[in-house]
Amino acid sequence: NAGVMQNPRHLVRRRGQEARLRCSPMKGHSHVYWYRQLPEEGLKFMVYLQKENIIDESGMPKERFSAEFPKEGPSILRIQQVVRGDSAAYFCASSSRVFEQYFGPGTRLTVT
Amino acid sequence: EDQVTQSPEALRLQEGESSSLNCSYTVSGLRGLFWYRQDPGKGPEFLFTLYSAGEEKEKERLKATLTKKESFLHITAPKPEDSATYLCAAMLSSQGGSEKLVFGKGTKLTVNP
Repeated sequence: NAGVMQNPRHLVRRRGQEARLRCSPMKGHSHVYWYRQLPEEGLKFMVYLQKENIIDESGMPKERFSAEFPKEGPSILRIQQVVRGDSAAYFCASSSRVFEQYFGPGTRLTVT
Repeated sequence: EDQVTQSPEALRLQEGESSSLNCSYTVSGLRGLFWYRQDPGKGPEFLFTLYSAGEEKEKERLKATLTKKESFLHITAPKPEDSATYLCAAMLSSQGGSEKLVFGKGTKLTVNP
């Protein structure tokens, strides 16, 4: 039973480019969460999605960031016009209805 | 403001030296308290969920307990392979169906042989 999968594991983007991070939840899980971890900081909630619905995006920056979880395929976190401050580890987690969130290995984004 | 605070920030133990990590929370309605283990360069690994004060859960050398204001992760006779950062997180009462976790900054545990 495969766990949560994220790709790419490492992503390097120049300032102003777009970053697309993908997350495939565990089999049978229909809830997806994105978190960001900055150096020396704790994990911060960004967005919670179910299939084709954004349930809570209270942690998402108002501009440049968007997320989707389509009916088919992985969840996508998209960052437009990246800046150096976007450099961080981005983690995806998934759950069924038992509340326990299982995390993927993360995507480490570096903006140069 | 909802807050989760972990202490100490770092802890060094000798192999076999038992200790406890603390997680205190001030949140408006707790649905669950979660413990994760995170190794360098990896994602958090789920350990325990506690739902109500007085609840305890155990797994190998780890035992998690919960009161109305804090949770403890007790480590009995630790081994070097227990070295990791331990994260505590609170799931808040649902507002519109949200199930987000509020994390503490973690306790970095080092167990020396």
